Amino acid sequence: AQKVTQAQTEISVVEKEDVTLDCVYETRDTTYYLFWYKQPPSGELVFLIRRNSFDEQNEISGRYSWNFQKSTSSFNFTITASQVVDSAVYFCALRRGSGSARQLTFGSGTQLTVLP
Amino acid sequence: DVKVTQSSRYLVKRTGEKVFLECVQDMDHENMFWYRQDPGLGLRLIYFSYDVKMKEKGDIPEGYSVSREKKERFSLILESASTNQTSMYLCASSLYARNTGELFFGEGSRLTVL
Repeated sequence: AQKVTQAQTEISVVEKEDVTLDCVYETRDTTYYLFWYKQPPSGELVFLIRRNSFDEQNEISGRYSWNFQKSTSSFNFTITASQVVDSAVYFCALRRGSGSARQLTFGSGTQLTVLP
Repeated sequence: DVKVTQSSRYLVKRTGEKVFLECVQDMDHENMFWYRQDPGLGLRLIYFSYDVKMKEKGDIPEGYSVSREKKERFSLILESASTNQTSMYLCASSLYARNTGELFFGEGSRLTVL
């Protein structure tokens, strides 16, 4: 069975601080995909990144960076110099490498609040 | 841009009523999904459809049914609404049957059952 754990339910930071959102996953598959989605107050989840299990390179996109470590089964997300617009719920998700598209497991989400 | 549109942002229904939640996508996606989002539980899959008239149960299908008569439209039906179905409902779509999981979401429908 797959499982995604986001232990941080809520995080509050002051603007311009760096913040890291943790994601730990469990799977028996050797091939799998990891995702981060952002849900702003408007409600619509927005895809941020996809990582496959064979690519452990960290990725940076502007103020966002992702640290994938298979040794610790973690896929953490860091926002550098946070802004008020980063306030949202962030979901980590895991998908099997094979099988139907239904097999996407979401974590419980982390509510990030960036204060001005 | 892909657009997934959910017909109602907010609904209030009474226990026992039949409820229809409609979702339309405009990018010819094969896959469509209905999720339920509850605090502390993340998103849980109710039903999934990979083609017209084809559907699969998700993790929590009890109390729900779905209809996909046209490729662009996927409806979630609560035959007899109950208070424990008060929740945020999210529709999503994706392009391939075996795609790598990037979903496009609607803005959600917040249902309150009194």
